[in-house]
Amino acid sequence: GEDVEQSLFLSVREGDSSVINCTYTDSSSTYLYWYKQEPGAGLQLLTYIFSNMDMKQDQRLTVLLNKKDKHLSLRIADTQTGDSAIYFCAENRGGGADGLTFGKGTHLIIQP
Amino acid sequence: GAVVSQHPSWVICKSGTSVKIECRSLDFQATTMFWYRQFPKQSLMLMATSNEGSKATYEQGVEKDKFLINHASLTLSTLTVTSAHPEDSSFYICSAKRMTGSQPQHFGDGTRLSIL
Repeated sequence: GEDVEQSLFLSVREGDSSVINCTYTDSSSTYLYWYKQEPGAGLQLLTYIFSNMDMKQDQRLTVLLNKKDKHLSLRIADTQTGDSAIYFCAENRGGGADGLTFGKGTHLIIQP
Repeated sequence: GAVVSQHPSWVICKSGTSVKIECRSLDFQATTMFWYRQFPKQSLMLMATSNEGSKATYEQGVEKDKFLINHASLTLSTLTVTSAHPEDSSFYICSAKRMTGSQPQHFGDGTRLSIL
């Protein structure tokens, strides 16, 4: 079946860049997403990228997509304590009609 | 930006009762809403796709008689957990997709359901 894989934890020092990686299996994915979830809260859309793009930048966030390797990454520049959360990678298949398939989430831990 | 409101945010009830959760798109019309379930420290699993004016489409393994979905208007979908039992305790999150245009889906803040 279709799968989205992420490492479970990432620890970085405050001020450094964080890079969260994700691999997916469905080559027909039209959009790929990054969501942020803080404890006890819902999901906040951070950014998304269309499958025909290979990079998207939005302030401190940079998304890189390698469609050949089915690899997606999220880079957070100048990581702050407020960035501590779980980050979910998700893919959407079939032109938007389907729900999303999520990875298990990467817990970003910020060291002072 | 787009806002999706989910109510209630937390429910505690006795085993055997039914619980209704509402999902509203506040500033846009949503022909399609999605219901997800999240177990502690796990990912979100799609339960069903709710389409305005038609029957919901359930994912494999999700009991449609247990999880009743009604999408009566372009801004409201409801999920009713019928005859809830402790194993139904979970975090339920809805998302909504705009009527026109493409992505993305916007999520509500979730409902934490605890069945005693």
